Amino acid sequence: DQQVKQNSPSLSVQEGRISILNCDYTNSMFDYFLWYKKYPAEGPTFLISISSIKDKNEDGRFTVFLNKSAKHLSLHIVPSQPGDSAVYFCAASASASGNEKLTFGTGTRLTIIP
Amino acid sequence: EAGVVQSPRYKIIEKKQPVAFWCNPISGHNTLYWYRQNLGQGPELLIRYENEEAVDDSQLPKDRFSAERLKGVDSTLKIQPAELGDSAVYLCASSPRLVPSGGADEQFFGPGTRLTVL
Repeated sequence: DQQVKQNSPSLSVQEGRISILNCDYTNSMFDYFLWYKKYPAEGPTFLISISSIKDKNEDGRFTVFLNKSAKHLSLHIVPSQPGDSAVYFCAASASASGNEKLTFGTGTRLTIIP
Repeated sequence: EAGVVQSPRYKIIEKKQPVAFWCNPISGHNTLYWYRQNLGQGPELLIRYENEEAVDDSQLPKDRFSAERLKGVDSTLKIQPAELGDSAVYLCASSPRLVPSGGADEQFFGPGTRLTVL
């Protein structure tokens, strides 16, 4: 039972354009969402997060949008840069219920084309 | 600041052999996690420690997997005996537990140990 789904295994975007990575979840208890970025042979690195009390969080070129009614979140990267090429994981937790366990999606491999 | 350290980085063993992984979290981080990441999948939690106490080990296959964090700092994860299906990357992560309620700790990951069981 995949509670966090990233339906696009890969995405290619031209440098300078916007990259949009999507994530869907099924567990209505999830109230905190995170995006991690992973380069080959390295561990995932935290990128940005959002609490369910918000619908948008922005940090520089990265913005995460949360649509609770649709149980959908997305990560926007603009403008995309070659160094953004990596695998991006969406993760969620049901922290308000005392369960801080992160449930990860399967990842989306983003390739920025110079 | 030094990150999460894991060793070895790579390990190849034959099935039925034992194997152990070591993790040293970021200094001052009380919470330590072990994850397993299969090819093409996201990390899946195996066990979470708060200091030396295992507070969530529901996903740890206890018949062959064991873990310890005796002094609440570094940790070892052991598999005995290893099976072919154990081939994966084993990730260790730590967090400082500074996030107020309603959030979740940002977890800092180590580079992982890639295990191949032949």
